[in-house]
Amino acid sequence: QKEVEQNSGPLSVPEGAIASLNCTYSDRVSQSFFWYRQYSGKSPELIMSIYSNGDKEDGRFTAQLNKASQYVSLLIRDSQPSDSATYLCAVKDWGNNRLAFGKGNQVVVIP
Amino acid sequence: DTGVSQDPRHKITKRGQNVTFRCDPISEHNRLYWYRQTLGQGPEFLTYFQNEAQLEKSRLLSDRFSAERPKGSFSTLEIQRTEQGDSAMYLCASSPGLAGVGGELFFGEGSRLTVL
Repeated sequence: QKEVEQNSGPLSVPEGAIASLNCTYSDRVSQSFFWYRQYSGKSPELIMSIYSNGDKEDGRFTAQLNKASQYVSLLIRDSQPSDSATYLCAVKDWGNNRLAFGKGNQVVVIP
Repeated sequence: DTGVSQDPRHKITKRGQNVTFRCDPISEHNRLYWYRQTLGQGPEFLTYFQNEAQLEKSRLLSDRFSAERPKGSFSTLEIQRTEQGDSAMYLCASSPGLAGVGGELFFGEGSRLTVL
């Protein structure tokens, strides 16, 4: 079983709508969770981090963490064409020094 | 520019040649990581340094790959006898964090390797 799974295919959303992305992880001792945005041909850029159960909001982005169900999600409100990118979920275990990444979900915002 | 820098940005080589990539991390970060990313996949962990010590290396990493971080500053990743399967984006990242909560990584722009 892969450590971090992002199974959704490309997501197309109209401009102004909400984009919702989900990620599940396999290791119950995971402690730190991150969302990275990656534009085509560019490197990943950190947009959100979350460590505790519940919601964390930062501008138009909201990360949600449910450790009991082992999933973390990302909501993008008022989606803009500049949000068109691949979003990578990453997980870090307590005492482990590396991040494990999912394969990413592509988001396309249609003007 | 105080971000992570990588050099070269692009490298095209013939199968069997050796290549070396360099990474300069954010100056106050003592942790440095190398990842590899292929098209349609997320970054895959290769190896990690804390200061000059290489503390973890992926089991998937072939013996043809070697990394160093002399003096705990910049790092190099060398691939010997390259194969076509080595074609990928090689990403360097640095982090100020300790083990446990935290551990955000900040990535450089990557070095894209094409093996012909």
